[in-house]
Amino acid sequence: DAKTTQPPSMDCAEGRAANLPCNHSTISGNEYVYWYRQIHSQGPQYIIHGLKNNETNEMASLIITEDRKSSTLILPHATLRDTAVYYCIVTFMEYGNKLVFGAGTILRVKS
Amino acid sequence: GAGVSQTPSNKVTEKGKYVELRCDPISGHTALYWYRQSLGQGPEFLIYFQGTGAADDSGLPNDRFFAVRPEGSVSTLKIQRTERGDSAVYLCASSVDSSGANVLTFGAGSRLTVL
Repeated sequence: DAKTTQPPSMDCAEGRAANLPCNHSTISGNEYVYWYRQIHSQGPQYIIHGLKNNETNEMASLIITEDRKSSTLILPHATLRDTAVYYCIVTFMEYGNKLVFGAGTILRVKS
Repeated sequence: GAGVSQTPSNKVTEKGKYVELRCDPISGHTALYWYRQSLGQGPEFLIYFQGTGAADDSGLPNDRFFAVRPEGSVSTLKIQRTERGDSAVYLCASSVDSSGANVLTFGAGSRLTVL
């Protein structure tokens, strides 16, 4: 089982911020939160990861609550090309640990 | 190469036939993963290689599935006596090594259809 809960789908207007929630209430102290996305007919693409501090890179921001039981991926200015399935994954950062994907959230960015 | 390359991109075969799917990882990446994705579902782990050895094959569904990576670079996923339920997209991913962040780079996948 994936250990995360995400809404099955979300819509966002082009140019607006897309906020994708993820619940991971059973996360353990040294598990990281990873986000990947999968655009139609492509393989998954890494976006960002974090442990307990908020993180930002050129693609997105990751906000993790203080109790670490939930997080939000923020795409600050969504474009049509951001339409994809977004996967939230919690896992240990250790040798050979495999990623367990759930069903993810289908984000539809609309003009 | 610049990315993870998978061939063929599409494969149609008949039930009972043997199939090989190839993965060419990013040069220098020592860790290589195979995943399988059925329609409408997230990718499902099959097997992981560190170098030439299969470090974790716990996701292989049965003994009809086998994978090799003889020189620590290119990997081949082999499926014997294919069944209709094997129809899926088979994804390969690689990472610099497996001891750091789980940042995997995925290929576009090989779509297998078993008639």
